[in-house]
Amino acid sequence: GIQVEQSPPDLILQEGANSTLRCNFSDSVNNLQWFHQNPWGQLINLFYIPSGTKQNGRLSATTVATERYSLLYISSSQTTDSGVYFCAVRLGGNTDKLIFGTGTRLQVFP
Amino acid sequence: NAGVTQTPKFQVLKTGQSMTLQCAQDMNHEYMSWYRQDPGMGLRLIHYSVGAGITDQGEVPNGYNVSRSTTEDFPLRLLSAAPSQTSVYFCASSQGGASVYNEQFFGPGTRLTVL
Repeated sequence: GIQVEQSPPDLILQEGANSTLRCNFSDSVNNLQWFHQNPWGQLINLFYIPSGTKQNGRLSATTVATERYSLLYISSSQTTDSGVYFCAVRLGGNTDKLIFGTGTRLQVFP
Repeated sequence: NAGVTQTPKFQVLKTGQSMTLQCAQDMNHEYMSWYRQDPGMGLRLIHYSVGAGITDQGEVPNGYNVSRSTTEDFPLRLLSAAPSQTSVYFCASSQGGASVYNEQFFGPGTRLTVL
C-alpha cells in the first residue's frame, strides 16, 4: 500500500522562528490534507491542497503532486502552534479514504 | 452547523462489555468514516461508508461493527471490548460521491479505555 512519511518526526523551536515540515508519499494521490492536532487532541483542518500553493495567515502549504511531496511552512511560530502536524492523502477510486502520515511533533517555547 | 459530533467524549469499559460510539453530521455528507489513534501514532481507518446502507472495511476492522441507516448517523459498535481497543476514536465526514471537493472534517474524538 501507499506509504506516507513525514519529517522531521520532532521539532523544537523558539517563538518567532520559521519551520518547514515535509510529507512524502509513495504513489499518486487525488488529494492531500494537512491537519494540526492540538494538545487537547482536536484535529484542525489546515489545508486541503491536492496541488499548488495556499496561504492562510502565518501558514502556507505547497504540494508538488508529480514529485509526490508536500511542504507546510510555519512562519513566526507561536506557542499556540505546538502540537502534532499530520498530512493525509486520498487515493483514487470512489471513496474518500485518507491515509495518514506518522506526524511531526512541534514544540514552540517562549 | 454543528459539523461532526461524537458522543461520549470519554468512556471506560471492562473487558467483554459492549458499547456504541455515536457519530452524527449535519452537512449532508455522503461519506463517513471511523478512525482510531493510538498513542504516538497517526490515525488508522476502521470502517467507512459511501452512503446510507453501504459500509466497508478499512485497515483495522476487527472487533468493530458499523451500520449506516441514515445519511446523518454512523455508529461504531464494539461487541466485546478488549484492552487492545483502548484508543481515541475519531469520526469524519466529507461530501463524497463524484465531488472533487472532498475535504474531510473530523469530530472531537472519543477517548476509550478498556480495563
